[in-house]
Amino acid sequence: QVQLVESGGGVVQPGGSLRLSCAASGFTFSSYGMHWVRQAPGKGLEWVAFIRYDGSTKNYPDSVKGRFTISRDDSKNTLYLQMNSLRAEDTAFYYCAKDRSGTYYFDDWGQGTLVTVSS
Amino acid sequence: EIVLTQSPATLSLSPGERATLSCRASQSVSSYLAWYQQKPGQAPRLLIHDASNRATGIPARFSGSGSGTDFTLTISSLEPEDFAVYYCQQRSNWPPGFTFGGGTKVEIK
Repeated sequence: QVQLVESGGGVVQPGGSLRLSCAASGFTFSSYGMHWVRQAPGKGLEWVAFIRYDGSTKNYPDSVKGRFTISRDDSKNTLYLQMNSLRAEDTAFYYCAKDRSGTYYFDDWGQGTLVTVSS
Repeated sequence: EIVLTQSPATLSLSPGERATLSCRASQSVSSYLAWYQQKPGQAPRLLIHDASNRATGIPARFSGSGSGTDFTLTISSLEPEDFAVYYCQQRSNWPPGFTFGGGTKVEIK
């Protein structure tokens, strides 16, 4: 079955950088678009980034545009999120999620990794 | 940006009762709306896509309806495992943006 396992979270100072990884298995990774979605502790969900199955399109909301970069390595079945210029408001659980066959719905999710931005 | 407003914020019901959750969009999203369930300490789970289509493995007691700006998620008879937070989500074609509602918590009365 589909498995998505995030890693790379931790504590980072404001202005710092962090790279998250998401190891995928149980499906043909190279055939699916992928997303990152975050959730501040006790709060709601916020979509953070999308990458098309072939890597040709990447999209971000204004809140992270220019600071976050999504990428993928199909040879390693791994999704990445490079986060730069981190702010306190970026503190959240970060989930990777599989796109439901080009529909922009999220049909499988990882367990999440916590990023804390604090001095 | 399309804003999704969910109501009520909290719904207090007993097992076996019917739950009706609302999601209103600030402008039409056609039928491009999904519902997710999230239990404490877990990732969200896709329940409904395209307003009324159940995702794989989702029980028939979950149903979705609506189009345009007004959507409803109905749980016909609450099971103990259904007490959770529910989110709606829309996807708009351009600019690509995927927004979520603020959530409705279904709690045991």
